[in-house]
Amino acid sequence: AQRVTQPEKLLSVFKGAPVELKCNYSYSGSPELFWYVQYSRQRLQLLLRHISRESIKGFTADLNKGETSFHLKKPFAQEEDSAMYYCALKGGGYQKVTFGTGTKLQVIP
Amino acid sequence: ETGVTQSPTHLIKTRGQQVTLRCSSQSGHNTVSWYQQALGQGPQFIFQYYREEENGRGNFPPRFSGLQFPNYSSELNVNALELDDSALYLCASSTGPKNSGANVLTFGAGSRLTVL
Repeated sequence: AQRVTQPEKLLSVFKGAPVELKCNYSYSGSPELFWYVQYSRQRLQLLLRHISRESIKGFTADLNKGETSFHLKKPFAQEEDSAMYYCALKGGGYQKVTFGTGTKLQVIP
Repeated sequence: ETGVTQSPTHLIKTRGQQVTLRCSSQSGHNTVSWYQQALGQGPQFIFQYYREEENGRGNFPPRFSGLQFPNYSSELNVNALELDDSALYLCASSTGPKNSGANVLTFGAGSRLTVL
């Protein structure tokens, strides 16, 4: 079975402060991990995926297989980062993607 | 390039009724996945269609069924509606299994179903 845990429902930070959204997963094989984001009144969209090893909008995430984590980080939060963030995992032969319950990031001006 | 479109955007049904939700995949995508998102929860995988066949199913009863058409569009059908079926139903399309971008989902805006 595959499972994604996002322990924080809400994370509030001040503008300019560092951000870390936590994600832990459970999967016996080699997963592919993603972060999806949903801005207000917009549809769910991909933010980044671990295999791309890229920084998107200043966000990065490193897959730590030892700790089974894929935390999302940004050194300086911006107001436009306020959104709902979902960590997701793909495992298995077909494209079943399992999502966490999401963390709402609120950046305070 | 057109995105994923879903219809209807909102609908209200009563217990025991049946509902059909529709999805048109993004241009160039041949795989469609359906998700149920209850309030305050993340999307839950219902099933996926590839080449007009069900290609994987989550923990949903048989009264949840689907179809995929030759143009890759898809339908989600739910029979004998229950109050707990009230949720946002999301359709997501992606490229075929052997494509490098296969695991990236492009989502529609969703169909919000309310069961009274």
